[in-house]
Amino acid sequence: DVKVTQSSRYLVKRTGEKVFLECVQDMDHENMFWYRQDPGLGLRLIYFSYDVKMKEKGDIPEGYSVSREKKERFSLILESASTNQTSMYLCASSFNKRRGPQHFGDGTRLSIL
Amino acid sequence: SQKIEQNSEALNIQEGKTATLTCNYTNYSPAYLQWYRQDPGRGPVFLLLIRENEKEKRKERLKVTFDTTLKQSLFHITASQPADSATYLCAFRLTDSWGKLQFGAGTQVVVTP
Repeated sequence: DVKVTQSSRYLVKRTGEKVFLECVQDMDHENMFWYRQDPGLGLRLIYFSYDVKMKEKGDIPEGYSVSREKKERFSLILESASTNQTSMYLCASSFNKRRGPQHFGDGTRLSIL
Repeated sequence: SQKIEQNSEALNIQEGKTATLTCNYTNYSPAYLQWYRQDPGRGPVFLLLIRENEKEKRKERLKVTFDTTLKQSLFHITASQPADSATYLCAFRLTDSWGKLQFGAGTQVVVTP
């Protein structure tokens, strides 16, 4: 079974802090994604990566950056956390050329105080 | 812009009945649709994929239909059980997307004994 592991289930940080969310997948997937999920808004794509060191902006990249130095690991960085970044963050991975599904981690519930 | 819409109201249904969820899309002609299940505090889990040339797809008690004329997919849970209570998301793959998906906001299903 595909496993996507996010480093923390719950995280509390302060405004202005630099925050790192880590995601690791074990299925050699080319694609990796970061979403945030808010009530009533559904899943919104922040950034995705289709290869090592490659990244593309999603729908809401402002205030975020990403890093993919190794194929299995995709990191989301909040450069200077703000209260409006309090949310559930979900990481996912998938194969590139196949029509397969995305496999999700269990999410990190991030609170910015 | 490409849009995907699901009924935001929760669907309350009695055990044993069939639950039917709707997913509508606009400004797009997806080659296929995917359906996911999400339990509270967990990431979405892939359930079914249906291609544009498939009218219907089944998996155990689940059935999905895809009507490209109506731009709509229906998701049915037959003989529903309390364990089916969850939020169900539909998604389609975006053009030239490297595997990016556009998700609906999801419909919550509550099955009561």
